[in-house]
Amino acid sequence: TQLLEQSPQFLSIQEGENLTVYCNSSSVFSSLQWYRQEPGEGPVLLVTVVTGGEVKKLKRLTFQFGDARKDSSLHITAAQPGDTGLYLCAGRISSGSARQLTFGSGTQLTVLP
Amino acid sequence: EAGVAQSPRYKIIEKRQSVAFWCNPISGHATLYWYQQILGQGPKLLIQFQNNGVVDDSQLPKDRFSAERLKGVDSTLKIQPAKLEDSAVYLCASSPTTGGAVFSGGYTFGSGTRLTVV
Repeated sequence: TQLLEQSPQFLSIQEGENLTVYCNSSSVFSSLQWYRQEPGEGPVLLVTVVTGGEVKKLKRLTFQFGDARKDSSLHITAAQPGDTGLYLCAGRISSGSARQLTFGSGTQLTVLP
Repeated sequence: EAGVAQSPRYKIIEKRQSVAFWCNPISGHATLYWYQQILGQGPKLLIQFQNNGVVDDSQLPKDRFSAERLKGVDSTLKIQPAKLEDSAVYLCASSPTTGGAVFSGGYTFGSGTRLTVV
C-alpha cells in the first residue's frame, strides 16, 4: 500500500494549458516536499511546505499544503515544454525517530509544444 | 558545491551475478540514503546512514543486499546474487542532518545507476 497517492499518474497537455496534480495520504506529515525528476537524473527539490494551509509560489508553480497536513497539490499555470518531467511528492511523517522522506508514485507530465 | 556523485551510470548483468554501486555524497553531509526506483514508481528507501552508522535498513532485502559507509563519507551498495526484479535505478541522496521535528531542507540526489538484470 502506497503511503502517498499521487494523481493523475500520467498527464499530457498542450503548451499554455493549466494543470493540477494531487498528493493524498491518510497520514499526517510534519513537512511535505515536491520534486521534479527528468529522465536519467535524480529528483530535484522544488519546494517544502510545513504549515497546514500553506501556499507557496515558484514562478508559474503554486504549491498548497492541506489544512490537516495530509494532502498537497501542485498547480502549474501556462505549462511549457520545459515543465515536462516526473513530479514526486515526498512526506516526512510526524512521528517516528528516523524521519525519512517517503515518496509518492509520481505524476508523469508531458507538455506538448 | 559539487553534487552527489554516483558510479557507474549504467550496469547490465545476468541474474545470479553480483554488482556494486558507489556513492560520494556532498561534502559535510552527515546523512546518506540509498533509494531504489523501479520504472514508473517513486523512489523507495533501502537504507539510511548517519555518519558511518545505520539508522534504518528495515526495507533492505538483507539476504541479497548489503551496504556500508565505513568512514562516514562515501558508500557502496552491493547486490549478490541479483534477481530480475532488481532491475531499477539506484539513487543515492545526502542531507546535512536527519532533521528535527520540522525538517525544511531537501535531499540532494545523484543521477543514479540504472541496473538491468537479464
